[in-house]
Order: sequence, then C-alpha cells, then structure tokens
Amino acid sequence: QQQVKQSPQSLIVQKGGISIINCAYENTAFDYFPWYQQFPGKGPALLIAIRPDVSEKKEGRFTISFNKSAKQFSLHIMDSQPGDSATYFCAATDSWGKLQFGAGTQVVVTP
Amino acid sequence: KAGVTQTPRYLIKTRGQQVTLSCSPISGHRSVSWYQQTPGQGLQFLFEYFSETQRNKGNFPGRFSGRQFSNSRSEMNVSTLELGDSALYLCASSLQDRRTGELFFGEGSRLTVL
Repeated sequence: QQQVKQSPQSLIVQKGGISIINCAYENTAFDYFPWYQQFPGKGPALLIAIRPDVSEKKEGRFTISFNKSAKQFSLHIMDSQPGDSATYFCAATDSWGKLQFGAGTQVVVTP
Repeated sequence: KAGVTQTPRYLIKTRGQQVTLSCSPISGHRSVSWYQQTPGQGLQFLFEYFSETQRNKGNFPGRFSGRQFSNSRSEMNVSTLELGDSALYLCASSLQDRRTGELFFGEGSRLTVL
C-alpha cells in the first residue's frame, strides 16, 4: 500500500499559473520529505526537500509547504512554464532509511 | 562527473527467463538503491546496498535479488520472469548517509517480458 498519498494524478495549468500538488502520510517516523521531478525517458531528479521542523521552503519558483500536525505537505510551482511539464513525485524517508514515493502527478503546462 | 549509468537500457525477455541489470554509481557514492517503476504502482523500492551489504529491502518476492561489488557497482537479478515484471528499473546512488542527502537516478533499464 502507498505510504505516501499524492494528488492529483494529473493537472493541466496555463503558462504563468500556479501548480499545486498535495501529499499526505501516516508514518510519523518520516523525517525527510523530498520532491523529485521526472521528464520522459529520464530518471527522477531531486527538485527540493524539507524537514518537518520547517513549515515552508522556497527555491526559485518552487515552494514546499509542510503541515506536521496534519501530516501533509505540498508543492507549489509558481509562474508555471512549459518546461515544467513533467511528472512530480513526493517522497518520504522512514526510520529505516527507505525512501517511499507517492504515485506521481503528471503536470502539463500549456502555452 | 559522470552520472549513474545503467545497462542495458532496453531489453526484451520471455516468461520464465532471468535477467541481470547493471548499475554504475557516481564516483564516490557508496549507496546504491533499486526501484521498480510501473504506470500502475509508481516507484516501488526494491533494495539498497551499502558497502556490499544489503541495508534495506522492499516488499518484493525472492525472485528479485541484488548485490554490490567492492567498487560500488551493483547488479540486480530477476529470475523466473513474469509478465508483471515488465517495468522501468531505476538505480540510484547517494553518498554515505542517504537520509540526509539526495538520490541520483540513472535513466533506467526498461524490461519488457513477453
């Protein structure tokens, strides 16, 4: 079963718009929450990551918001660009060091 | 600096056969993890090796096995292939402590089982 639940499965956003992807988890032992970006034919690549002692982290147009009490975290892509079209995976590392991935969100940014 | 290299990139096998996939991590990386990626199940953790020892294992049957060599290169093997084993197999390497660092993925080996 998926230990990290991710939604939506896909989304379409216009250029310049905001893409929002949400993830939720149950295991309170998770202590590292990265987001990976994957383009077709390529392996996933780390985009941005956060630890639960921080509520928000911003890197350029990408922001992670983290709500520890709700066990939820989200990725916001501001000013979305066609080059952002990719599949995004949230993930969490458990106490054994295993990285558990969400199911992925396919983002399409239209011109 | 060379990235993670996986070979072969594509392969086709038939049910019942076995397959061996190879992964060369980034120089200096001692941890190698393997993931199976399918449209239905997403990215599923197979196992992780560190200094030639399996450190973590996912929930896959014993037909899936792996090993790591002294130069950190890793191989995974799938025996008695089933149709459901068709997937993209991704290898990722990282520095010593994966919990505080990022995974660097290769481009994967796409296995098709007929």
